[in-house]
Amino acid sequence: KAGVTQTPRYLIKTRGQQVTLSCSPISGHRSVSWYQQTPGQGLQFLFEYFSETQRNKGNFPGRFSGRQFSNSRSEMNVSTLELGDSALYLCASQAPSTDTQYFGPGTRLTVL
Amino acid sequence: GENVEQHPSTLSVQEGDSAVIKCTYSDSASNYFPWYKQELGKGPQLIIDIRSNVGEKKDQRIAVTLNKTAKHFSLHITETQPEDSAVYFCAASYNYGQNFVFGPGTRLSVLP
Repeated sequence: KAGVTQTPRYLIKTRGQQVTLSCSPISGHRSVSWYQQTPGQGLQFLFEYFSETQRNKGNFPGRFSGRQFSNSRSEMNVSTLELGDSALYLCASQAPSTDTQYFGPGTRLTVL
Repeated sequence: GENVEQHPSTLSVQEGDSAVIKCTYSDSASNYFPWYKQELGKGPQLIIDIRSNVGEKKDQRIAVTLNKTAKHFSLHITETQPEDSAVYFCAASYNYGQNFVFGPGTRLSVLP
């Protein structure tokens, strides 16, 4: 079974731009969660989508948004990028009625 | 909300020795406790997990113990090898993993 895939793997943007990251979960998994990982803050939960609906949301500003499609693929968008948004963005998928989250390799975003 | 603490933040051991990483959680509703290993440039990989109805779980050189009363759980790695060098994260969640909270991580170095 293929794992969680994320595209692109690396991205360089400048302040004020916006960015869209993509995540394809493991086949059959309907829950997708997004995390921001930075050296100073560790792994911080952004939001979770299940069956195209946002089910949970972390404590991030409205510039961070996401969506999920009918095939369970998910995208997250960050608008008006700030230097502090530089981070590794991780996506994790989860099978229905299970606890375990499986992570993708992440997208490394650098904001200049 | 849930808060997960993890100690130590860095750990160096000689090859062949054991390593122990400890985590504490605050929310007694948490019932699922996974451990992830993250190597450089990769996403976190699940290595072992335990649920609140179990006190201990082993998988070859890796074991996890859970003390619900004290609200802490530990990762034990025996006969460490250089390839065990990585960052290890603990996490706590409930309600089928909808509310994952991660510890800050432990950087383990296994010296040959």
